[in-house]
Amino acid sequence: GESVGLHLPTLSVQEGDNSIINCAYSNSASDYFIWYKQESGKGPQFIIDIRSNMDKRQGQRVTVLLNKTVKHLSLQIAATQPGDSAVYFCAERVAAGNKLTFGGGTRVLVKP
Amino acid sequence: GAGVSQSPSNKVTEKGKDVELRCDPISGHTALYWYRQSLGQGLEFLIYFQGNSAPDKSGLPSDRFSAERTGGSVSTLTIQRTQQEDSAVYLCASSAGRGRPRGETQYFGPGTRLLVL
Repeated sequence: GESVGLHLPTLSVQEGDNSIINCAYSNSASDYFIWYKQESGKGPQFIIDIRSNMDKRQGQRVTVLLNKTVKHLSLQIAATQPGDSAVYFCAERVAAGNKLTFGGGTRVLVKP
Repeated sequence: GAGVSQSPSNKVTEKGKDVELRCDPISGHTALYWYRQSLGQGLEFLIYFQGNSAPDKSGLPSDRFSAERTGGSVSTLTIQRTQQEDSAVYLCASSAGRGRPRGETQYFGPGTRLLVL
């Protein structure tokens, strides 16, 4: 079936630099997207979300960009800190549905 | 409570035994979800409850898996005759539900780590 596709690279980032995590999705019927951060041994922690009627949303140090033309979602983390080291998942929800379909995750390692 | 809680945090069982996993959602949240996360993998949807509506069971992998939600709050996920491939982290999430501000945002608990020997 259609699903969010997120290859599982490891992104190494120097402390203080910006991080960009990318996600491709294939279901054009998805109307809601969300990013989670998961630290080892913990449940996913909500970071930021965006509805399909928007193309950009900002939070504290994070920005989510949505490009519906190419079905691409990204998470930008400004001034990456050691505490940002974790696995990041994107997820989508099909319109009128409820369940989230998750990508495989990207590990972010912040180097001091 | 302040967040979603799950118990037990860890469970080791023998193949063939039944297990029950518990989830306490955020107070006032009407929607509750169960997901499964295998080692190093993303999350796999299992089941969804919304208020008094019939649950969406489309993600349950077999009839050995079942879940109930009593009184619109606490939920129990039951796995009967456990198999080694059931070993995973079982995560529960809740959201405020339809018609509520940001009602679709799902907040996760810490998970139950199940190991079937």
